[in-house]
Amino acid sequence: GAGVSQTPSNKVTEKGKYVELRCDPISGHTALYWYRQSLGQGPEFLIYFQGTGAADDSGLPNDRFFAVRPEGSVSTLKIQRTERGDSAVYLCASSLTGAMADTQYFGPGTRLTVL
Amino acid sequence: DQQVKQNSPSLSVQEGRISILNCDYTNSMFDYFLWYKKYPAEGPTFLISISSIKDKNEDGRFTVFLNKSAKHLSLHIVPSQPGDSAVYFCAASDGNKLVFGAGTILRVKS
Repeated sequence: GAGVSQTPSNKVTEKGKYVELRCDPISGHTALYWYRQSLGQGPEFLIYFQGTGAADDSGLPNDRFFAVRPEGSVSTLKIQRTERGDSAVYLCASSLTGAMADTQYFGPGTRLTVL
Repeated sequence: DQQVKQNSPSLSVQEGRISILNCDYTNSMFDYFLWYKKYPAEGPTFLISISSIKDKNEDGRFTVFLNKSAKHLSLHIVPSQPGDSAVYFCAASDGNKLVFGAGTILRVKS
């Protein structure tokens, strides 16, 4: 079956602009995660959704970052007033129930470059 | 403060030999650990996991060892194959989220 997909694969924007990154999880997966991977680092947790609600948003770096999952499937990560330090690969993952031992399946990521 | 550390940025191994990738963690509350493999331009792919009630888990050529007293785990790949060349991430489960190390680049030479 289809895996996690993310669009766009690459996004180049200018400092101060607004961007939206989209994630389509595996069908039937109730848990969805966003991570950010900077160069030379491992993925860092941003936010976790269980169904439509954000169950843990402790990893969002500041209030310029926001994410939604209105129907419990597709999710959008929104970044306002982008800064050069936001440049990274944004990874989305989904798992069946969100239980600890559930495998998180990752998408290919969106590479965001802020000029 | 990095809670999961992979101190070797890279490792080079001859095809057919054993690859050993190491990982240390600082949070004694972590009780579930995973290894992910990542190829360029792809997302991380789950490889193998281990619960803290075990000290070893094996899946084909891949074995993960956990030493809780030392807060250390390792991934053994035997025999190593050129297709194993990738970045390997160690991760710990912290509630619903994963805490990743910085990764180790493995190169398997043929």
